[in-house]
Amino acid sequence: GQQVMQIPQYQHVQEGEDFTTYCNSSTTLSNIQWYKQRPGGHPVFLIQLVKSGEVKKQKRLTFQFGEAKKNSSLHITATQTTDVGTYFCWADKLIFGTGTRLQVFP
Amino acid sequence: KAGVTQTPRYLIKTRGQQVTLSCSPISGHRSVSWYQQTPGQGLQFLFEYFSETQRNKGNFPGRFSGRQFSNSRSEMNVSTLELGDSALYLCASSLDGRADSPLHFGNGTRLTVT
Repeated sequence: GQQVMQIPQYQHVQEGEDFTTYCNSSTTLSNIQWYKQRPGGHPVFLIQLVKSGEVKKQKRLTFQFGEAKKNSSLHITATQTTDVGTYFCWADKLIFGTGTRLQVFP
Repeated sequence: KAGVTQTPRYLIKTRGQQVTLSCSPISGHRSVSWYQQTPGQGLQFLFEYFSETQRNKGNFPGRFSGRQFSNSRSEMNVSTLELGDSALYLCASSLDGRADSPLHFGNGTRLTVT
């Protein structure tokens, strides 16, 4: 069946360093959404990508959808302690990526 | 607009019991989906309801069931509880359940089975 793998599983960075998480699918996706879950909280929608090669930015966050629509990435520039949490991709409804837990040390 | 409301926030049950969790979606949202979140398995899709009909179902045993009412509120039921059912159960609503409709999550119900 369809699977979405997310890497890395964990990432610890020093505040100010960059961070990237990747979602990789075994099949072509029609769209992908990204969510952030703070510790003790619930997932919150960040953005949606639908077009091949699409790039979207939200302040320090950059989201990309691969040309083949089989992978996506979320890049955070100059991390801050407020970026702490788990980042999930959600592919074609029903399937969440395994998540990347980001820890930022001040 | 009020967000997604889940009740109760916490539950402690013993093995063999059953439990019912409730979810009230954002007003106007007709799709409600349920997820189980555990540290080891991440977010696992349970089922989705739209207009009182189950539209999709994840790979969970029949002990997990749900329903949706005419006002879009949803309940999920777990019967014959097992220790492994301990998890955070999240409900999410969306406007129409389409793949391009963002999910809005509730705060979840944390179920502990002893």
